[in-house]
Amino acid sequence: GQNIDQPTEMTATEGAIVQINCTYQTSGFNGLFWYQQHAGEAPTFLSYNVLDGLEEKGRFSSFLSRSKGYSYLLLKELQMKDSASYLCAALASGSARQLTFGSGTQLTVLP
Amino acid sequence: DTAVSQTPKYLVTQMGNDKSIKCEQNLGHDTMYWYKQDSKKFLKIMFSYNNKELIINETVPNRFSPKSPDKAHLNLHINSLELGDSAVYFCASSQLGTGHYNEQFFGPGTRLTVL
Repeated sequence: GQNIDQPTEMTATEGAIVQINCTYQTSGFNGLFWYQQHAGEAPTFLSYNVLDGLEEKGRFSSFLSRSKGYSYLLLKELQMKDSASYLCAALASGSARQLTFGSGTQLTVLP
Repeated sequence: DTAVSQTPKYLVTQMGNDKSIKCEQNLGHDTMYWYKQDSKKFLKIMFSYNNKELIINETVPNRFSPKSPDKAHLNLHINSLELGDSAVYFCASSQLGTGHYNEQFFGPGTRLTVL
């Protein structure tokens, strides 16, 4: 099975940098996803890491350490529109490739 | 063009009724999913179909029955609705197989309220 932990809530100021952490425990692991979900909307894909290290994509970066079962999502130059829930999800190995989601981190960006 | 679509967007019904939610994807993906997101925003997999074959079937009451008439469609039928079934149900699709890392694309969700 899989177990995903991430903080429930975070608050940051417009223009700042915020790091959202995620730890996972899994019996079979094939990568780590981050999704963004605005209130009342569908989750949308942000990033995928399967190898250790940092993946950068514009203002968003994601990091993975497989040996530590740890990932983080880094958001730079925060904007008001970044206020959303950020979901960490571990991808299982095997033919079904099931995604197990954490409960999400609700980020509030203040002016 | 909508990639993953669901109908209806909102569904309000009485306890004990039977209802269906439909999902269609036009991405050419071979795998589709149903997730339930409860009031605490926890997104939990219910079912997955790959090429019309059930590959994931989590611990879900047998009142829930998925049906995949073809690769582009995955419907969810719920019998004898209960108060605890109230949630947002998301359909998703992805492409499995070598060279694909299973990025899942989500539909807009169906908010089910059972009274």
